[in-house]
Amino acid sequence: NAGVTQTPKFQVLKTGQSMTLQCAQDMNHEYMSWYRQDPGMGLRLIHYSVGAGITDQGEVPNGYNVSRSTTEDFPLRLLSAAPSQTSVYFCASSYSIRGRGEQFFGPGTRLTVL
Amino acid sequence: EDKVVQSPLSLVVHEGDTVTLNCSYEVTNFRSLLWYKQEKKAPTFLFMLTSSGIEKKSGRLSSILDKKELFSILNITATQTGDSAVYLCAGHGSSNTGKLIFGQGTTLQVKP
Repeated sequence: NAGVTQTPKFQVLKTGQSMTLQCAQDMNHEYMSWYRQDPGMGLRLIHYSVGAGITDQGEVPNGYNVSRSTTEDFPLRLLSAAPSQTSVYFCASSYSIRGRGEQFFGPGTRLTVL
Repeated sequence: EDKVVQSPLSLVVHEGDTVTLNCSYEVTNFRSLLWYKQEKKAPTFLFMLTSSGIEKKSGRLSSILDKKELFSILNITATQTGDSAVYLCAGHGSSNTGKLIFGQGTTLQVKP
C-alpha cells in the first residue's frame, strides 16, 4: 500500500499561471479532501469529495477547482495562481464516508507563487 | 465559529522529561478529537478520542478527552529527541464536510 501520494513535491509558479496538484490513494477510500497549511493558521479545508463524481467546497475554496472521476484520484486545480496561494497543500483520505474517522495525509506539495 | 486552541505554542524540554500538551475546543455538534504528529512532512495519526475519561495509550504517548470541560491532553513520558515535532489537535463536528478543525499546533523540541 502506497497510501496517499501527491505530486509534485515542490512547485514554483508565476502569478496567473495554472496548474494541477495530483493526489491518489490506493486504500479504496470514498472520502478525500484537500487542505492548505499556512504559518499561524493551521490546516484549512479547501474542497472535499465523498465519492466519485461528488465534490463540494470546504472553508477556503476560492481560486481552486476539483474533480473526482475515479475513487483513487482527486486532483486540485489552481485556475490563475496568486501569491496568496503560496502554501503547503495536503491531500487526505478517510475510510469513513463522511470523513469522520481517521484521515490519512499525503506528503504534501509546497507551492510558491511569485 | 468553531475553533481549536492549543497550548503552549512551543515547548523545549530535555530527554527523559514528561510533557503535557493541551487542546481546548469549541466545535458545533462535536463528534471526535484527533491528535497528529507532524515532522516536516505529512501529519501522522496518533489518536482519535470520542468518549470522555477513557485514556488512549500508545507506548509513551497517551491522551484523554474531557467533553464536559471541552479539552484534551496529550502526554508524552520519558521524551526522546525523536519526539521533536509539531503536535496537531483537530476537532470533528457532525457536518457532512468531514472538515477537521485544526489548532495551530504545539512545537515540541526535545534536547539531548
